[in-house]
Amino acid sequence: QLQLQESGPGLVKPSETLSLTCTVSGGSISSTPYYWGWIRQPPGKGLEWIGSIYYSGITYHNPSLKSRDTISIDTSKNQFSLKLSSVTAADTAVYFCVSFPPDTSIVASYFDYWGQGTLVTVSS
Amino acid sequence: DIQMTQSPSSLSASVGDRVTITCRASQRINSNLNWYQQKPGRAPKLLIYAASSLQSGVPSRFSGSGSGTEFALTISSLQPEDFSTYYCQQSNAIPYTFGQGTKLEIK
Repeated sequence: QLQLQESGPGLVKPSETLSLTCTVSGGSISSTPYYWGWIRQPPGKGLEWIGSIYYSGITYHNPSLKSRDTISIDTSKNQFSLKLSSVTAADTAVYFCVSFPPDTSIVASYFDYWGQGTLVTVSS
Repeated sequence: DIQMTQSPSSLSASVGDRVTITCRASQRINSNLNWYQQKPGRAPKLLIYAASSLQSGVPSRFSGSGSGTEFALTISSLQPEDFSTYYCQQSNAIPYTFGQGTKLEIK
């Protein structure tokens, strides 16, 4: 059973870059065709998909973020990461990393494992 | 983007009640619809995928139905642990989008 754990600063200044890492345990991030992803939830609000990455490194993004996000994978550390540039208060949210079931496509799938989430506050 | 609209936004019910939450997509999404349950301070948990498939370990009182643009999540007999917020999510097209959530509260 996979376990996912987010890590990164809980406070980021406006206009700076938010950086988060998701460490995967219970399976190899690259040995099985997996998609991985990031989802966020502003306090008291709903869920927003940020983007996803295939184990090969192919990425998919939500256009609402206007290309501010970069998602990458580090197979040597069994981790994948999110960077979000030029942050504002509107980027304050709990950020979740997620996995898709193995051997599924980027569409017609679902998020079966979630990290516990990490709150990132954007404030000076 | 595909817009997902859930109804109702909130619902009060009693233990033992049968409840149904609906989710409507702004365009046809086949059966590419998933349901999640979220408790305060916790990550969402997958309940139903592909509109009607029950995720392993999820109690059988949860069921999903629908295709195209209209979907439903039904809880046949509410248990105390079911009082949570529920979200639908479409996976038919990028970007994935979620409904606004339905908060299920104890009457």
